[in-house]
Amino acid sequence: EPEVTQTPSHQVTQMGQEVILRCVPISNHLYFYWYRQILGQKVEFLVSFYNNEISEKSEIFDDQFSVERPDGSNFTLKIRSTKLEDSAMYFCASSDATGAYEQYFGPGTRLTVT
Amino acid sequence: AQSVTQLGSHVSVSEGALVLLRCNYSSSVPPYLFWYVQYPNQGLQLLLKYTSAATLVKGINGFEAEFKKSETSFHLTKPSAHMSDAAEYFCAVSAANFGNEKLTFGTGTRLTIIP
Repeated sequence: EPEVTQTPSHQVTQMGQEVILRCVPISNHLYFYWYRQILGQKVEFLVSFYNNEISEKSEIFDDQFSVERPDGSNFTLKIRSTKLEDSAMYFCASSDATGAYEQYFGPGTRLTVT
Repeated sequence: AQSVTQLGSHVSVSEGALVLLRCNYSSSVPPYLFWYVQYPNQGLQLLLKYTSAATLVKGINGFEAEFKKSETSFHLTKPSAHMSDAAEYFCAVSAANFGNEKLTFGTGTRLTIIP
């Protein structure tokens, strides 16, 4: 069964450093998303991406964040200068253009900012 | 705008007992509704979804949920709990439009199964 994959599974970085989280969505999907989950809290929407541009972003997704689809398979989330409060689990999801746009989630990348 | 309220951050049931996890939603447009399960240190797995067809939706692992528009509810049930059901459960809502609508999640309910 096709699945969304994410790398790395765990990233530790120092405050102020740049990080890039990588995702490979399901191959025939057209819509891509990033969500995050701070430890013990609910899953929060960050950004959605379609046709090589951002469709919607939340207030969390400020100028420190960016997304890119550098090739036909990868979807990345970059945080330019990490803060302590960026520590969270980051989930990538993708969906196709049929039905209820069911979103398939990857296993997540745990980002720890020290 | 959409929002979800999950009543009960922790629910404990005995093995073999009925599982009932509550979800109420608010949506300014017709909603799509979802239940996701998260096992420890894992991602989110879709249990079931409501997409404006049948109001009683059956999902994986014996779970089902009923969409009640009058009560703005989408409660998750399972007749007989199993130890493997212990996990965190999230209710989510999106707008039923064409397009890549974001999911808005509730705060989650941690389900504990008592042997």
